[in-house]
Amino acid sequence: EADIYQTPRYLVIGTGKKITLECSQTMGHDKMYWYQQDPGMELHLIHYSYGVNSTEKGDLSSESTVSRIRTEHFPLTLESARPSHTSQYLCASSELNRGQYEQYFGPGTRLTVT
Amino acid sequence: QKEVEQNSGPLSVPEGAIASLNCTYSDRVSQSFFWYRQYSGKSPELIMSIYSNGDKEDGRFTAQLNKASQYVSLLIRDSQPSDSATYLCAVPDSWGKLQFGAGTQVVVTP
Repeated sequence: EADIYQTPRYLVIGTGKKITLECSQTMGHDKMYWYQQDPGMELHLIHYSYGVNSTEKGDLSSESTVSRIRTEHFPLTLESARPSHTSQYLCASSELNRGQYEQYFGPGTRLTVT
Repeated sequence: QKEVEQNSGPLSVPEGAIASLNCTYSDRVSQSFFWYRQYSGKSPELIMSIYSNGDKEDGRFTAQLNKASQYVSLLIRDSQPSDSATYLCAVPDSWGKLQFGAGTQVVVTP
């Protein structure tokens, strides 16, 4: 099982501010993911990375950007926050277990844009 | 059609009874299947993984896989109020990214 850390856990910020949500893991996992989830709704993959300097957009279009400069770190940035960005953001990473990748989630960041 | 289908529920289960959750998937080449539990306001937690046909038991949880029917299920025996949550079925796509179902909400009633 992986230890995945996300900071901050809760963030309330005004419209137009730039924000960075932090995600880190210390297990050396190559694969990392960002999901967006509104209360009571489905998970939506917004970004993923299969290793350093590798980032791809997910199934749901997002105005956020990500970077992967170090294996353990996968931050997500919003250049100009809007109320429509209010949501829960979940980071995850995968580890290989008996030939299959198993994915584990961090605790999430609940973002509110006012 | 979604790649992973689940009944949304809510599935109401008396305490002590068996909760039965179903999931169907469209990709015939899928080799691994996962069940996650998500409490309200929390992140999903991996509770079961199954890779071969048949049953896999872990405590009060049993996962059942039938690849020919493209069907995976989760049984929760002796359901407890603490089992009240949304259960997500997940199947990797050809790129290894997990495709999640919409989730089944389980409510265990005392």
